[in-house]
Amino acid sequence: GDSVTQMEGPVTLSEEAFLTINCTYTATGYPSLFWYVQYPGEGLQLLLKATKADDKGSNKGFEATYRKETTSFHLEKGSVQVSDSAVYFCALSSSGGYNKLIFGAGTRLAVHP
Amino acid sequence: EPEVTQTPSHQVTQMGQEVILRCVPISNHLYFYWYRQILGQKVEFLVSFYNNEISEKSEIFDDQFSVERPDGSNFTLKIRSTKLEDSAMYFCASSEWDQETQYFGPGTRLLVL
Repeated sequence: GDSVTQMEGPVTLSEEAFLTINCTYTATGYPSLFWYVQYPGEGLQLLLKATKADDKGSNKGFEATYRKETTSFHLEKGSVQVSDSAVYFCALSSSGGYNKLIFGAGTRLAVHP
Repeated sequence: EPEVTQTPSHQVTQMGQEVILRCVPISNHLYFYWYRQILGQKVEFLVSFYNNEISEKSEIFDDQFSVERPDGSNFTLKIRSTKLEDSAMYFCASSEWDQETQYFGPGTRLLVL
């Protein structure tokens, strides 16, 4: 079945460091790909998405490019802030059916001043 | 900006009791979902709902679970006889006609004692 694999955390960075969180997927068909963020004590917020190969999703300085050839959707940010500390979830929505989301395990990011 | 709301934010119940978790999806959305997240684990799909019926459900969604849209605005998840392992954060989500993006509520944290 479809699945998402994320790099294990926690990821600990200093403020202004470069961030990469790896995400790869296995899916039949042509899934849409998402990054959701969960701040401490809060629910899931959509961070960015891409619906087809080579699309780049971006929001709040975060970017991710849908790479069909490597089945990847890595999240990047050039300069992280303390306020970016959260858990980041990669997810896919399979084509067809009723588009349930399949999530990765989540990666906790801690940014220190 | 419209958002998904959920009540209660926290619920504590005794094993064997029935609980009803409530959600108000975004008003023009047509597809509704429940997910759960056991502490420290990944977010898991439970059920999707469209046109007043279940469109897909996971293995987790056994006979103890049911969903309902009783009045055209609320969307509820009922757990008939709670078990210790039902303790989790339960998220409601909704999406528009194209199902492209799911918007999540803040969650209900359920603790079964």
